[in-house]
Amino acid sequence: NAGVTQTPKFQVLKTGQSMTLQCAQDMNHNSMYWYRQDPGMGLRLIYYSASEGTTDKGEVPNGYNVSRLNKREFSLRLESAAPSQTSVYFCASSEQGSPYNEQFFGPGTRLTVL
Amino acid sequence: SQQGEEDPQALSIQEGENATMNCSYKTSINNLQWYRQNSGRGLVHLILIRSNEREKHSGRLRVTLDTSKKSSSLLITASRAADTASYFCATAPGPARQLTFGSGTQLTVLP
Repeated sequence: NAGVTQTPKFQVLKTGQSMTLQCAQDMNHNSMYWYRQDPGMGLRLIYYSASEGTTDKGEVPNGYNVSRLNKREFSLRLESAAPSQTSVYFCASSEQGSPYNEQFFGPGTRLTVL
Repeated sequence: SQQGEEDPQALSIQEGENATMNCSYKTSINNLQWYRQNSGRGLVHLILIRSNEREKHSGRLRVTLDTSKKSSSLLITASRAADTASYFCATAPGPARQLTFGSGTQLTVLP
């Protein structure tokens, strides 16, 4: 039982390049999330998917797109990377319908945009 | 904008001492959760307290919630070096799915 996995672990991009961050969970959770964490700050929600086939914007969606490929996988795409997107990105999942919304996190992807 | 704000931002104590961290939030909540993040790792859920609860225990953790003051505290008793981490509070404003995280308290436990 791997929980939430993310690939890659590290990535360096040049301004304007594109890339996709991958996330998968094996806990049969319906809801999945993408966050970014900047130094000295908590997590900010980029996008989330309440269930397969649905996605919604979070607090900081600009510059990102997401795809809920199936129940297990939720990807985050940067179409044209900018230095302001240098951050650590975390994927998380939770059970839909739970009023307690405990989230399970992946290990993160450290992204640097030059 | 961040719903929860932790205080202090950083805390350094000796092994065996108790550590107390506080969280304040702005709007009504369904529940409040505490997470731990070890350096370079993802967040790990520690404990959840519902809006109708005032205190909850889990091992060496004790969480209190005061909804009238919109605040919560996390107490770690008999701290260990392995407790060194960042601690975040997160609030759920209703039966919604989105958690809002605070900026965290960096706890250092010195051996």
